[in-house]
Amino acid sequence: GDSVTQMEGPVTLSEEACLTINCTYTATGYPSLFWYVQYPGEGLQLLLKATKADDKGSNKGFEATYRKETTSFHLEKGSVQVSDSAVYFCALSDSDYKLSFGAGTTVTVRA
Amino acid sequence: DTAVSQTPKYLVTQMGNDKSIKCEQNLGHDTMYWYKQDSKKFLKIMFSYNNKELIINETVPNRFSPKSPDKAHLNLHINSLELGDSAVYFCASSPAGREAFFGQGTRLTVV
Repeated sequence: GDSVTQMEGPVTLSEEACLTINCTYTATGYPSLFWYVQYPGEGLQLLLKATKADDKGSNKGFEATYRKETTSFHLEKGSVQVSDSAVYFCALSDSDYKLSFGAGTTVTVRA
Repeated sequence: DTAVSQTPKYLVTQMGNDKSIKCEQNLGHDTMYWYKQDSKKFLKIMFSYNNKELIINETVPNRFSPKSPDKAHLNLHINSLELGDSAVYFCASSPAGREAFFGQGTRLTVV
C-alpha cells in the first residue's frame, strides 16, 4: 500500500539556519504530494502541494519539488524563524478518499 | 467563518462511557474524514466518507461508529471508552483527490 517515510526528529535549529526535512514515498499510481504544518495546540494546515512530477510547491519561504525518479518530496527553507517551530507532515494522496501521512517531524527554532 | 469545525475541543470522560464528537464543514466538499493522532503525533486515518457513503474503514474497533446525516456533517460516536482511546481526533474534508482541510481537533482524555 501507499506509505510515506519522513526524516525523524526532533530537529532543533538556530534562527536564520537552513532547514531540510526529507520525505520519500511509496505509491502504486501517480500521487499528489503535500506538506502540512501543525502549530502547537492547533489543527493541520496545508503548507504546500505538488500534483505531478517536477512540480515545485512553495509557500511562506518553504519549497518542495516532486521528484518521481527518487520518489521524494523534501521540504526546504533557506532561513527559518522562531515562528516556524511546529510539527511538519509529509503526505500523499493516491486515491480520491485517503491521505496517507508520514510520522511528522518536530522542528524547534531557537532565537 | 470556520471551514471545518469540531465540537467539543476537549473531552474528559471515564472509562466505559459513550461519547460523541461532531464535525461540520461549510466548504461544499464531498469527502470527509476522521483521523486519530496519538501522543507521538502519528496520524492514522479512521474513516473516509464520500457523499454520506462510507468509503474507508481502517480496521477501527466496532466501538467507533461514524454517522453522516448529510455531506456537510460527519459525527463520531464512541461506545465503551477505553484508556487507549485517549488521543486527538481530527475531522477533515476535501474535494475528491485534493488537499484536505482540517478542523482544530478534539482532545479526548479517558480516565
